[in-house]
Amino acid sequence: QKEVEQNSGPLSVPEGAIASLNCTYSDRGSQSFFWYRQYSGKSPELIMSIYSNGDKEDGRFTAQLNKASQYVSLLIRDSQPSDSATYLCAVNYGGGGNKLTFGTGTQLKVEL
Amino acid sequence: GAVVSQHPSWVICKSGTSVKIECRSLDFQATTMFWYRQFPKQSLMLMATSNEGSKATYEQGVEKDKFLINHASLTLSTLTVTSAHPEDSSFYICSAQTGSTNEKLFFGSGTQLSVL
Repeated sequence: QKEVEQNSGPLSVPEGAIASLNCTYSDRGSQSFFWYRQYSGKSPELIMSIYSNGDKEDGRFTAQLNKASQYVSLLIRDSQPSDSATYLCAVNYGGGGNKLTFGTGTQLKVEL
Repeated sequence: GAVVSQHPSWVICKSGTSVKIECRSLDFQATTMFWYRQFPKQSLMLMATSNEGSKATYEQGVEKDKFLINHASLTLSTLTVTSAHPEDSSFYICSAQTGSTNEKLFFGSGTQLSVL
């Protein structure tokens, strides 16, 4: 069973702080990794994708991938109340079909 | 970004009835569509993958006779929950993919199904 693990939270951070979200996955053969943001009752929206070891930055978001340790993280700088949502980590384990396996999500609360 | 329209957004039905959910890609042709189910505070669980003109591929544990998927065109896929029961109450989300990578994967707005 290929798994994606996330701490369900909630993770509470004050406005303006850095929020750090972590995800581990079980299959070393995984090829691509994604972070989605999901507001309550809404569908997920893609925030970041990462394919290679290291950091990838996009605005206030930085994705970090460490394939040796099988973890991927998302950093949100200067957190805003509008960032409050559930963040889903998703992994494409390869093997064709482009199927994604999702973690259970981490709920982030950015407090004023 | 591309738009995927899913409707209805919510539906309440009686136990034993069937419910059809539509998923349309409005401004692109979707090579593949995926159907997910999400229970409260849980992750998205892939139910099936459908390609236009061919039978859907169901994930282990998903009853293909209960969750009928029709992918008649490159812009439309439907999921029919047959003989729905209260345990089928969930949030159903479709996603449509254009191109060969998950970067081109777009989600519908979801359908909240409540079976009484």
